[in-house]
Amino acid sequence: GQQLNQSPQSMFIQEGEDVSMNCTSSSIFNTWLWYKQDPGEGPVLLIALYKAGELTSNGRLTAQFGITRKDSFLNISASIPSDVGIYFCAGMNRDDKIIFGKGTRLHILP
Amino acid sequence: SAVISQKPSRDICQRGTSLTIQCQVDSQVTMMFWYRQQPGQSLTLIATANQGSEATYESGFVIDKFPISRPNLTFSTLTVSNMSPEDSSIYLCSVDRSDRKIMNTEAFFGQGTRLTVV
Repeated sequence: GQQLNQSPQSMFIQEGEDVSMNCTSSSIFNTWLWYKQDPGEGPVLLIALYKAGELTSNGRLTAQFGITRKDSFLNISASIPSDVGIYFCAGMNRDDKIIFGKGTRLHILP
Repeated sequence: SAVISQKPSRDICQRGTSLTIQCQVDSQVTMMFWYRQQPGQSLTLIATANQGSEATYESGFVIDKFPISRPNLTFSTLTVSNMSPEDSSIYLCSVDRSDRKIMNTEAFFGQGTRLTVV
């Protein structure tokens, strides 16, 4: 079946640093979604992307829908402690099924 | 966005028993979904809950193990039947807010039900 390869699997950064993570697939997706999940909570939608090449921002977060429709990245600028969590990419395919990446665990060093 | 209330938020159950998880949405939605998130893992779609018809299950999931109800457009239940320790996971309800005219889709999640089977 379709799979999303999300990387890196985990990141350890200093507060204030910028963060970049991405998802790739061998399949085309019509929509890319980025979520953040805090412990004990459900995923919260951060950014939704609908067109190839689209670049969308939400505060310090920026995400792009790759031109080939097979990839997407998420950047976080000037990280703060509350950015800690697990970030998931998700793609919606032609059958309207949402496929999730395995997540990127973000840790911020004191 | 959509407000999704899921309960219970957590439970510890004996093996061999069943647990029914409820999902209530603050507005009518066409599509409701149930996901499983095993410890430290990503989300896997169990089934799509269809109003007025049987749920559509993904490969590896069957109705006898995970019966689903969808009595109306704002409510669904997922039952985890005859539980074993391998069923210990977070179970998440999700709704899809789609505007097909502009091809925009957003999926929102409940806070999840953390199930531990002992």
